[in-house]
Amino acid sequence: NAGVTQTPKFRILKIGQSMTLQCAQDMNHNYMYWYRQDPGMGLKLIYYSVGAGITDKGEVPNGYNVSRSTTEDFPLRLELAAPSQTSVYFCASSYSGTGGYEQYFGPGTRLTVT
Amino acid sequence: GQNIDQPTEMTATEGAIVQINCTYQTSGFNGLFWYQQHAGEAPTFLSYNVLDGLEEKGRFSSFLSRSKGYSYLLLKELQMKDSASYLCAVMDSNYQLIWGAGTKLIIKP
Repeated sequence: NAGVTQTPKFRILKIGQSMTLQCAQDMNHNYMYWYRQDPGMGLKLIYYSVGAGITDKGEVPNGYNVSRSTTEDFPLRLELAAPSQTSVYFCASSYSGTGGYEQYFGPGTRLTVT
Repeated sequence: GQNIDQPTEMTATEGAIVQINCTYQTSGFNGLFWYQQHAGEAPTFLSYNVLDGLEEKGRFSSFLSRSKGYSYLLLKELQMKDSASYLCAVMDSNYQLIWGAGTKLIIKP
């Protein structure tokens, strides 16, 4: 099992450019999440999905979009990148969204917007 | 608002014991998680508490008091590889995780 995979690992974007961060999991988890992690701050939930075709906003969704066409894939789209989106982005998945089911994290994408 | 508080940084000696505290104020409570995050890596799951009391798992234990909005992670027989950030996260009434900023633990020989 590869677990949760993310691409790319690093990316530098210019202001106003767009990109898609890829995320895939091979554990057949229904729940998937996108977080951002800024220095000195806790992880912030951007979007999450409870299954294929279902997505919902988290705490900080502005400037991002997601889709979930399959159980395995959960890409995150950044439109019109801004310096405030410089961050480390983690994708995660879990068997369930309730109870003590742990979230499994991908290795992260380090994004710089200049 | 929702708030998770942890110390920013702690230092301990190899072989010793350290306790990392976490206090929380959230809208609802559906459990508390501890994760470990080494520098430049992803968080990995350590423990889950939903009832009051102590959960022991090898060298690591986690305690919860729901009435006090308080948890701690206890690490025994510290090893150099335990140098990492420890993240406290509470599952709120919407079953979303609210994360603390993490406690950076530095282990000295």
